[in-house]
Amino acid sequence: GENVEQHPSTLSVQEGDSAVIKCTYSDSASNYFPWYKQELGKRPQLIIDIRSNVGEKKDQRIAVTLNKTAKHFSLHITETQPEDSAVYFCAASKGSNYQLIWGAGTKLIIKP
Amino acid sequence: ETGVTQSPTHLIKTRGQQVTLRCSSQSGHNTVSWYQQALGQGPQFIFQYYREEENGRGNFPPRFSGLQFPNYSSELNVNALELDDSALYLCASRPTQEGVTEAFFGQGTRLTVV
Repeated sequence: GENVEQHPSTLSVQEGDSAVIKCTYSDSASNYFPWYKQELGKRPQLIIDIRSNVGEKKDQRIAVTLNKTAKHFSLHITETQPEDSAVYFCAASKGSNYQLIWGAGTKLIIKP
Repeated sequence: ETGVTQSPTHLIKTRGQQVTLRCSSQSGHNTVSWYQQALGQGPQFIFQYYREEENGRGNFPPRFSGLQFPNYSSELNVNALELDDSALYLCASRPTQEGVTEAFFGQGTRLTVV
């Protein structure tokens, strides 16, 4: 079955700098790749997603890139702010069922 | 707010007991998935229901079972609780529209097994 690996497990960046989180997946049939932000004690919230027919998607300070050949996708956050501090999860799914297989998460720390 | 609510928010059970967790989805969301999130880990897919039938299952034993009802509510039942079942349990629902992929999560139920 699908396996999603996420790196790094912890990322500390200076406020205003950029942060990049990377994920790899194993099943070439996967075609939907969402990113979730989860603050302590709260539900995961979708921040951006991408489908396999698109190589890049951007929403203000957040962007996601997908390399289907290498089977990896990345989350890019520019101009980081203190409120970006949270745990970020990547996930992958395939077909019409959209059963999400998740990475282990990255704890993003924004240093003032 | 996502329009998806779970109850209870917290629960403490004893090993060997049975538990039922509940999820109420938005009207029109006829796909619901359940996930188990252990502390410090990513959510693990338990199973998914579509129009009251299970249509996908992760690597969880049969003592994890579920139900989905016509009123867009669902249940997760766990029998013979084990200490390792302690986790945050999340349900997520999706609308029926073709091509809509975002899953809307509830706030979760924190289950502690002692």
